[in-house]
Amino acid sequence: KAGVTQTPRYLIKTRGQQVTLSCSPISGHRSVSWYQQTPGQGLQFLFEYFSETQRNKGNFPGRFSGRQFSNSRSEMNVSTLELGDSALYLCASRGTGDEKLFFGSGTQLSVL
Amino acid sequence: AQSVTQPDIHITVSEGASLELRCNYSYGATPYLFWYVQSPGQGLQLLLKYFSGDTLVQGIKGFEAEFKRSQSSFNLRKPSVHWSDAAEYFCAVGAEGTYKYIFGTGTRLKVLA
Repeated sequence: KAGVTQTPRYLIKTRGQQVTLSCSPISGHRSVSWYQQTPGQGLQFLFEYFSETQRNKGNFPGRFSGRQFSNSRSEMNVSTLELGDSALYLCASRGTGDEKLFFGSGTQLSVL
Repeated sequence: AQSVTQPDIHITVSEGASLELRCNYSYGATPYLFWYVQSPGQGLQLLLKYFSGDTLVQGIKGFEAEFKRSQSSFNLRKPSVHWSDAAEYFCAVGAEGTYKYIFGTGTRLKVLA
């Protein structure tokens, strides 16, 4: 069974631009969560989707948004990029009734 | 407020030595507790989890952790560290039915040959 796939692996953007990150969960997993990882801050929860519905959201500004498609693939969008948005963005999927998260390798976003 | 504290940012041990990584949490509900490991350039992999029952839990790669409710701690241990254990370790807490997990800031482990 394939793992969680995130694309692209690396992104370089400039301030003010927007970016879209993609995540394909493990087959059969309907829950997808997104986390932002920065040095010294650890992982910060962004949001979680289940069956195309956002079930929970972290404390991030509205510039951060996401969505989930009927095949459970998820996208995360960040608009009006700021230097502080530079981070590793991790996606994790979870099976129904399972508390265990399976993480992708992440998308490293650099904002110049 | 819900939080997870990993007081050690960096730990260095010699190969073959024992290891203990500390984790303290603050959580209103009965917590689910996890330890994850992250190798450079990789995502996180679950080492072990505690939901209920026996407070000493065994995980993969020879790791174990002990839940101590009175101390709000969930420390990770390994009796003999291998060079391949060098990585960053994250403690996380959640609760049944919640859809987000709170992670600590991580402990980076260095292993000396």
